[in-house]
Amino acid sequence: QKEVEQDPGPLSVPEGAIVSLNCTYSNSAFQYFMWYRQYSRKGPELLMYTYSSGNKEDGRFTAQVDKSSKYISLFIRDSQPSDSATYLCAMSPQGGSEKLVFGKGTKLTVNP
Amino acid sequence: ETGVTQTPRHLVMGMTNKKSLKCEQHLGHNAMYWYKQSAKKPLELMFVYSLEERVENNSVPSRFSPECPNSSHLFLHLHTLQPEDSALYLCASSPRPRENSEAFFGQGTRLTVV
Repeated sequence: QKEVEQDPGPLSVPEGAIVSLNCTYSNSAFQYFMWYRQYSRKGPELLMYTYSSGNKEDGRFTAQVDKSSKYISLFIRDSQPSDSATYLCAMSPQGGSEKLVFGKGTKLTVNP
Repeated sequence: ETGVTQTPRHLVMGMTNKKSLKCEQHLGHNAMYWYKQSAKKPLELMFVYSLEERVENNSVPSRFSPECPNSSHLFLHLHTLQPEDSALYLCASSPRPRENSEAFFGQGTRLTVV
């Protein structure tokens, strides 16, 4: 079993839709969970950063972590065409960047 | 534009060539990283430098040779590469290694080996 599983999509939604992106993982030592957004021909940029279980909200974005199920989610409300990108989940046991394990990324297209 | 700059943006090289990728960060960070991003695969960490000292080498073939002359610059020297080495090579930096800190990525170098 891979350490981090992420459905690569592609996922296509109409503008204004609620988008749900998910990752599952197998390593119970992971405590730090991140979502990166990567636009075409750009490097990844950090979108959300959470520690342990719970929810974190930032504008239209909500990150959820369920450690008991080893499952993390990113919700995007009122999706916009500018949200079209590849979303990468990443996690690490200690918070240090050198221990980050990434998912394959989900390619999202929001159609106007 | 991010504080991590990579050059060149695109590179095509033959299997017998020698080339180098360059990364520069203007963020005052102490750790720098090389990642490989291939189609349909997760980001793979290749090398980690902390305060100019290599602290991680994830079983990367010797045809990839990193160099970190100072905390702001990182190079990846390439020689006798294989076509399967074609990928996006990403440089990243973070304030402190082994601590809770965000990694900032450059835009990457798209490498094609022919």
